[in-house]
Amino acid sequence: AQTVTQSQPEMSVQEAETVTLSCTYDTSENNYYLFWYKQPPSRQMILVIRQEAYKQQNATENRFSVNFQKAAKSFSLKISDSQLGDTAMYFCAFMATTGANSKLTFGKGITLSVRP
Amino acid sequence: NAGVTQTPKFQVLKTGQSMTLQCAQDMNHEYMSWYRQDPGMGLRLIHYSVGAGITDQGEVPNGYNVSRSTTEDFPLRLLSAAPSQTSVYFCASSPLAGQGNQPQHFGDGTRLSIL
Repeated sequence: AQTVTQSQPEMSVQEAETVTLSCTYDTSENNYYLFWYKQPPSRQMILVIRQEAYKQQNATENRFSVNFQKAAKSFSLKISDSQLGDTAMYFCAFMATTGANSKLTFGKGITLSVRP
Repeated sequence: NAGVTQTPKFQVLKTGQSMTLQCAQDMNHEYMSWYRQDPGMGLRLIHYSVGAGITDQGEVPNGYNVSRSTTEDFPLRLLSAAPSQTSVYFCASSPLAGQGNQPQHFGDGTRLSIL
């Protein structure tokens, strides 16, 4: 079974600064995907970024980038130039690529507040 | 394109009542799933389906039933609601089972309170 751990329940960052959200996971799988989802107060689940485990290059999406350390089973999210709209809950999630399903295993989430 | 539609958005039940949460998607996705979100717990998988006529249990299936008679619909049934089932429920779908390059599409959630 897979587990995803987000040990920081909440963080705060000043607008325009950079913040890093931590995530570790445990799995015996070799092939998998990792995701960061954003959940603003509207409650929508929005995919922020995705990383394939077989790719060594870290994924980037505009101001969002990840630091993927496969050996350490670490998958942190860096948000550059933080904006007020980044205030949300962020979930790290894992999906194995083997098997006939697309089950996502989520971490407990971290609440990020961006201060003006 | 409506995506994943959940109804209702809010519901209050009394203990022991039954209820069906509806989920429909118009993207012809094979995979559909139900999660519940509780404070400090993240999202936990209740049940999932890899196609019409096929369902399976997730991490927290007790107290819930599902069926998948069509590709489009995946209702979640609470047969006898309990206060422990107070939660926010999300339905999600994706095109192909096991394909992480096809992201899951989430509905807007149903907030359910059991008194």
